[in-house]
Amino acid sequence: ELKVEQNPLFLSMQEGKNYTIYCNYSTTSDRLYWYRQDPGKSLESLFVLLSNGAVKQEGRLMASLDTKARLSTLHITAAVHDLSATYFCAVGPYSGGGADGLTFGKGTHLIIQP
Amino acid sequence: GAVVSQHPSWVICKSGTSVKIECRSLDFQATTMFWYRQFPKQSLMLMATSNEGSKATYEQGVEKDKFLINHASLTLSTLTVTSAHPEDSSFYICSTKASRALVRYGYTFGSGTRLTVV
Repeated sequence: ELKVEQNPLFLSMQEGKNYTIYCNYSTTSDRLYWYRQDPGKSLESLFVLLSNGAVKQEGRLMASLDTKARLSTLHITAAVHDLSATYFCAVGPYSGGGADGLTFGKGTHLIIQP
Repeated sequence: GAVVSQHPSWVICKSGTSVKIECRSLDFQATTMFWYRQFPKQSLMLMATSNEGSKATYEQGVEKDKFLINHASLTLSTLTVTSAHPEDSSFYICSTKASRALVRYGYTFGSGTRLTVV
């Protein structure tokens, strides 16, 4: 059974600081997704990581994937209040097909204080 | 591209009634639709996977007779919560993956339906 562990689950930080959210998963997969969810809203796609060593950056967010360590990180640089949200990592089906859905981590509730 | 329209956004119903939630893929054909449930301040849990023209595959612990899924066309999948009870109150989200958009966007999610059973 695929398990996805995300930490921390709650993070309160000040604007301008840097921090990293970690996502570990238990079985082989080469598809890792990061999503943002605002309260009462659906999911917004942030990053799709499809290969070992993949690194993607968008604004103050940068995501990376190490498939050998089964680890992905979401790094926040110089945080701003607008980044306050809940961030989920999710792992996709095994490479090669299948119609399985995603297995999500528990989410990181991020609060950025002015 | 790859937009999934989900309706209704929210619904309040009485215990014992049924509620239908629709998800439509607007600009692509969704052969597979995933249905998730999210309880307050918790993660998303996959309930079932529906494939156009065939029976849905339910995850362990999800009652197939209670959560009826129909995927009769390539652009429409529905989830019907039958004989709803207060414990069914949750946020339901559909999702699909458009092959041509997978690399850039991954899975596409509907806007979600907040179901409250009173």
